[in-house]
Parts: sequence; structure tokens; C-alpha cells
Amino acid sequence: DAGVIQSPRHEVTEMGQEVTLRCKPISGHNSLFWYRQTMMRGLELLIYFNNNVPIDDSGMPEDRFSAKMPNASFSTLKIQPSEPRDSAVYFCASRSQGSYNSPLHFGNGTRLTVT
Amino acid sequence: DQQVKQNSPSLSVQEGRISILNCDYTNSMFDYFLWYKKYPAEGPTFLISISSIKDKNEDGRFTVFLNKSAKHLSLHIVPSQPGDSAVYFCAASSNAGKSTFGDGTTLTVKP
Repeated sequence: DAGVIQSPRHEVTEMGQEVTLRCKPISGHNSLFWYRQTMMRGLELLIYFNNNVPIDDSGMPEDRFSAKMPNASFSTLKIQPSEPRDSAVYFCASRSQGSYNSPLHFGNGTRLTVT
Repeated sequence: DQQVKQNSPSLSVQEGRISILNCDYTNSMFDYFLWYKKYPAEGPTFLISISSIKDKNEDGRFTVFLNKSAKHLSLHIVPSQPGDSAVYFCAASSNAGKSTFGDGTTLTVKP
């Protein structure tokens, strides 16, 4: 079990540039979550998918943010254009859909810095 | 409106003593609670959980207590070890399918 894999681990970009974060969930997990961690807002849920379908995107801060899950083994979170306030650690997590009580399995995150 | 709160940003204890981390929630629809542990440069990892139908769950050195009437839960670590030094997140979930996290408490266990 390779765990949830996120790439890149670190991303530094200039304001206005497009940023794409990637996630490969654990095989067999059919729920996928994107979280963002900041000092001010803690760990906040941005969006989650069940069976590749977005279920709740109410946490997506603005239209600059978009997420896709084209298949069961891959998801992207895109920010276009990026702004300095988007600087944070972005985590992807997956879970078996069988029970909402199952714990989340997190990747090691992508640290985004927008200058 | 923050639905899950961890009011202590940090806690420091001596090795061998008990660590008590607290968490409060406001949403009555939450019926399952989890604790995660996070080391620097890693993602959170699951530690222990409790269902709302119970008031205690124990796993080795870790025990979680739930007080539904007070909407309060706590994580007890005894005895504490230096390797327990990490950030601990409380999370709550409902059948809506998503987990809401607190801001975390940084635990430091001194040798």
C-alpha cells in the first residue's frame, strides 16, 4: 500500500501564475478530499468526491479554484490565477466510501508559496 | 462559525505523565469523532475514534472520552512519551460524509 501520493511536495510560483496540484488516492478508495491548512483557518475542507463525482465544493474559496477527478486514481486541484493569500499546505485524503466513519488517509501535502 | 474547537494551541508535559487534549463541538449532527496525529512535513494520520453511542474508547496508551451533553471530547495519553510530540487534530463527522477538523493542539513531551 503506497498510501496517498501528492505532487509536487513544494511549489513556489509568482502571483498570477496557474498552479496545479496532483493526487493519487489509495487504490480501492472511492472518496477523495482536498483540504487546505493555514495558520489562520486551520485544516479546512475545500471539496470532496465520491466515485469521481464532486459532492460538496462549498469550501472552495473562489472561482479561481477548481478540482477535477477524471478517474478513480487521479485528481487535480487548480488555482488560476494564484494569489499570495493562497499560500498554504494543501492535503489530499482518501477513504473507502463504505462507511463515513472510516478514517481519512492523508498524503504528505503540497506546500504552496505564491510570491 | 467554527464547529470544532480545540482551545489550547499547545500543551507541554513531562515524559511519563498524562497528556490531556480537549475538543469541543457545536453541531448536534456529529455522531463520530476521530483524533489524528501529525508530524512536521507529513500528513495527519489516524489515531483513535469514538462513536456517539459510546462514552469511552481505549487503545493502548490512548483513551478518548466523549461527553455528549457537554459536546466535549478529550484524548488522554498515558504515559506520555517524547515520540508523542506532534500536532493533534480533533475531527467530527456526520452521515453527510465529510469530516470537520479543529485547529490542532501541539503537544510537546519533555524527556
